Amino acid sequence: QVELQESGPGLVRPSETLSLTCTVSGGSISNYFWSWIRQPPGKGLEWIGYVYDSGSTKYNPSLKSRVTISIDTSKNQFSLNLRSVTAADTAVYYCARDSQIGMIGEGFDPWGQGARVTVST
Amino acid sequence: QSVLTQPPSASGTPGQRVTISCSGSSSNIGSNTVNWYQQLPGTAPKLLIYRNNQRPSGVPDRFSGSKSGTSASLAISGLQSEDEADYYCAAWDDSLNGVVFGGGTRLTVL
Repeated sequence: QVELQESGPGLVRPSETLSLTCTVSGGSISNYFWSWIRQPPGKGLEWIGYVYDSGSTKYNPSLKSRVTISIDTSKNQFSLNLRSVTAADTAVYYCARDSQIGMIGEGFDPWGQGARVTVST
Repeated sequence: QSVLTQPPSASGTPGQRVTISCSGSSSNIGSNTVNWYQQLPGTAPKLLIYRNNQRPSGVPDRFSGSKSGTSASLAISGLQSEDEADYYCAAWDDSLNGVVFGGGTRLTVL
């Protein structure tokens, strides 16, 4: 049973970089698409982007200029960096795997439990 | 403003059948499969339906999905109190080159 766990600071100062890591346990990180998704307080879900085991990435156009997603297959981890954050980036950040091997857009399953990140001084 | 459009709320009584709609366009629902998620209060979303109408193992057959053209629907039959949650539709969008979500529908079991 694959499990995902987000880790990283819960508080980030405005204009700084939000950094989160997702650790994958119970299975290999290879051959799947791995995504970050966020949910601002009281609002809906927003896809941030994905990384494949090869390191190839794709980002939400609305965040593309500030986002980097990377993968470390040796550690079974992938990471999110979001630069120049503002209060609008306050959200619960989820990591998730696409449900079907080698495919994107087939549904996210499983998900991590979520990491609450607040952007504030 | 979400790319996929869902009603903000829906409701039903125990045992009833409820449907939640999701409207998109030719670049997302019209050309790609639709997935549905259930988010119980305070928890991460859970995949409920993938590829328009497929249920992951463990999801009761009370939940079903369908798609026609640029719209999709989630149906819940035999409504139970534990179905009270937020439901989201999602699909790949060929124009945005990414995953898009609906704004979510809050289901209340009366």
